[in-house]
Amino acid sequence: EPEVTQTPSHQVTQMGQEVILRCVPISNHLYFYWYRQILGQKVEFLVSFYNNEISEKSEIFDDQFSVERPDGSNFTLKIRSTKLEDSAMYFCASRVQGPLSYEQYFGPGTRLTVT
Amino acid sequence: RKEVEQDPGPFNVPEGATVAFNCTYSNSASQSFFWYRQDCRKEPKLLMSVYSSGNEDGRFTAQLNRASQYISLLIRDSKLSDSATYLCVVTGGFKTIFGAGTRLFVKA
Repeated sequence: EPEVTQTPSHQVTQMGQEVILRCVPISNHLYFYWYRQILGQKVEFLVSFYNNEISEKSEIFDDQFSVERPDGSNFTLKIRSTKLEDSAMYFCASRVQGPLSYEQYFGPGTRLTVT
Repeated sequence: RKEVEQDPGPFNVPEGATVAFNCTYSNSASQSFFWYRQDCRKEPKLLMSVYSSGNEDGRFTAQLNRASQYISLLIRDSKLSDSATYLCVVTGGFKTIFGAGTRLFVKA
């Protein structure tokens, strides 16, 4: 069964450094998403991406964040100048084109630790 | 009012019990509704989509009431393996909102 994959599974970085989190969505999916989940808190929407551009972003997704689909398979989240409060689990998700299905499938996540 | 609100839980039930989860949402323009389950430190996994007509998948039944902006999930004959956090998820446009989740503990 096809699945969303994410790398790395765990990233440790120092405050102020840049990190790139990588995702490979399911191959026939056209909508891509990033979410974060701070330990013990709920899953929070960051951004959605379709047709090589951002469709919607939350107030969390400020200038510190950017997304890119550099090739036909990868979808990346870049966090510039990381802060301690960026420590969280970051999930990528994808779905097929609607309206037949809006179901999103999640990757296993990248645990980001900022020290 | 929170965009998506769930019972705070946790629910502690014996094996074989029936347990009901409730969820309300604030945006009447919301388009799609789902229940996900999340195990500790794992990704959310889709349990089922929720339709106004109601839908059932084995021991799981989901229902949507658009007029009341209310979503429910019923688990019958609960198993130990049902222990997890159940997440109510609502989408509108390209944005997805998760509820905080309701933790379920099923005990032998």
